[in-house]
Amino acid sequence: AQSVTQLDSHVSVSEGTPVLLRCNYSSSYSPSLFWYVQHPNKGLQLLLKYTSAATLVKGINGFEAEFKKSETSFHLTKPSAHMSDAAEYFCVVSEGGRRALTFGSGTRLQVQP
Amino acid sequence: EAGVTQFPSHSVIEKGQTVTLRCDPISGHDNLYWYRRVMGKEIKFLLHFVKESKQDESGMPNNRFLAERTGGTYSTLKVQPAELEDSGVYFCASSQFTSGIYNEQFFGPGTRLTVL
Repeated sequence: AQSVTQLDSHVSVSEGTPVLLRCNYSSSYSPSLFWYVQHPNKGLQLLLKYTSAATLVKGINGFEAEFKKSETSFHLTKPSAHMSDAAEYFCVVSEGGRRALTFGSGTRLQVQP
Repeated sequence: EAGVTQFPSHSVIEKGQTVTLRCDPISGHDNLYWYRRVMGKEIKFLLHFVKESKQDESGMPNNRFLAERTGGTYSTLKVQPAELEDSGVYFCASSQFTSGIYNEQFFGPGTRLTVL
């Protein structure tokens, strides 16, 4: 069975400083991994996805994530936070032919001026 | 191109009443999914349609929930009768169908359901 653990429920950073949102996954098969973001009153938007190609995945708005099989991690990073990055971020896994997504509990990112 | 739309955006009902949520997927997307986020919990999968057929309904909590996708276009999710624990945000998503390739799921803004 697949599962996702987001290690921090809340992260607060200052504008212009790096962002690190941590995610560990568990999967019996080669997983597909995703990060989604939800801004207030908006739908979930895909930031980036890993589907067994390059282990370092670049997404939108300067975000990237690295798939580390040995650590079963898929942490999300950004070199410099912007105020508009304040949102809730979800790490998501899908495995095999099953198309249902399994979500982590979410990390709320706060960006201080 | 229009995204996934959901109606209503909010619904407040009394326990025991019936509510129907609607989802319009992106045009041409054969796959349609329903998810739910109960307060303080993870977003959980409910079910998956391929066109008008239920491909996977393993996440449906009980028989008070009925999902349909008439003609393989829009979908409805009916809760009858609603219970307090059904409160939460119901998300719909859609994706294209390409054999052997996983496609991004596009999410709607959700319907916030409150059962009093």
